[in-house]
Amino acid sequence: RKEVEQDPGPFNVPEGATVAFNCTYSNSASQSFFWYRQDCRKEPKLLMSVYSSGNEDGRFTAQLNRASQYISLLIRDSKLSDSATYLCVVNSPSSASKIIFGSGTRLSIRP
Amino acid sequence: GAGVSQSPSNKVTEKGKDVELRCDPISGHTALYWYRQSLGQGLEFLIYFQGNSAPDKSGLPSDRFSAERTGGSVSTLTIQRTQQEDSAVYLCASSLVGGTWETQYFGPGTRLLVL
Repeated sequence: RKEVEQDPGPFNVPEGATVAFNCTYSNSASQSFFWYRQDCRKEPKLLMSVYSSGNEDGRFTAQLNRASQYISLLIRDSKLSDSATYLCVVNSPSSASKIIFGSGTRLSIRP
Repeated sequence: GAGVSQSPSNKVTEKGKDVELRCDPISGHTALYWYRQSLGQGLEFLIYFQGNSAPDKSGLPSDRFSAERTGGSVSTLTIQRTQQEDSAVYLCASSLVGGTWETQYFGPGTRLLVL
């Protein structure tokens, strides 16, 4: 089983729609969780950290479910500019420094 | 301020040749990471430097791969006797102190193609 698993997509949704992705992680001892965004042929950039209580940043909401070992990202009122690959990131408990990237979920917003 | 920079942006080499990839982290960042991303794949951790500590080399795929970080700043990733499977985007990232709770800031990457 992969340490971090994501549905690769692509998710193809119309502008204005709400879309959600899940990501599962295998190590229950993981403590740090993030969503990064990667545009085509660009470097990843932090979208948001994921806190235990869940957190929201504008149209984006991230949630953590420790019992089921998954994190989610919800995008409301999607924009064309949200088209990107979304990478789920989880720390490796066996290392003080290492984080593990999922393979990403590709999102395409159509007009 | 300036972000993470990498050079070259693209590198085409022949199988069996050695290549050097360079990373300049954000000034003041003590932690530096190298990752590899193959087409359509996630990021694969290669190596981590933090200050003067011994680097975490646990992600290097073979002894053909090595990296140095001189003076706590610039880093060079060297691939010896390149193979076609080494073709990928090599990404460098830096963070302030290297904790797993920190944001990592990525450079634009070096696209390596081994013919």
